[in-house]
Amino acid sequence: SYVLTQPPSVSVAPGQTARITCGGNNIGSKSVHWYQQKPGQAPVLVVYDDSDRPSGIPERFSGSNSGNTATLTISRVEAGDEADYYCQVWDSSSDHRVVFGGGTKLTVL
Amino acid sequence: QVQLVQSGAEVKKPGASVKVSCKASGYTFTSYDINWVRQATGQGLEWMGWMNPNSGNTGYAQKFQGRVTMTRNTSISTAYMELSSLRSEDTAVYYCASSPYSSSLDVWGQGTTVTVSS
Repeated sequence: SYVLTQPPSVSVAPGQTARITCGGNNIGSKSVHWYQQKPGQAPVLVVYDDSDRPSGIPERFSGSNSGNTATLTISRVEAGDEADYYCQVWDSSSDHRVVFGGGTKLTVL
Repeated sequence: QVQLVQSGAEVKKPGASVKVSCKASGYTFTSYDINWVRQATGQGLEWMGWMNPNSGNTGYAQKFQGRVTMTRNTSISTAYMELSSLRSEDTAVYYCASSPYSSSLDVWGQGTTVTVSS
């Protein structure tokens, strides 16, 4: 089945820019979705279809996708952005219709 | 507003079964697939399968084939996920999720904690 690879952790100082990558074979040909999950809470969609934001998600959250890497970019990072972030694609070629990356822990220093 | 509300926490013994419910409101239940995702403590998200509430068609991750059953009751806009032959490794939070707004999983239930312990 399709595999998505994320770095286990990313650290950034407040006010700086965080970039979280999601690697997959020719991922640029797929739509990538990103979820934020804080401790004890359900995941929340922050970016869908590579770069679109749901209503209520700050413009500081953006996404891109090309080649073998998709990237979630969080500008002007705030303490409240500290969370786990997961990328996700749909894979109709196997029984594993929904594929998640392993998750990245964003730490705000 | 659009929401999915799940049933409460469960404690089960090894070998037993558990059935978790997921009630949809604020949108047409039969228009969007329901997916089930679980998360063990400290671990990532693990997709279990999907169900089309209109047709009842399902698809399960190979890991759960033979142990999981996803059903629905359209009259009360509720989806169910039943997992059998429980073992300690099934201890996790189980989520339902749907896609009424976009092509992603844009609405999630609050999660149901299932603990398997003797």
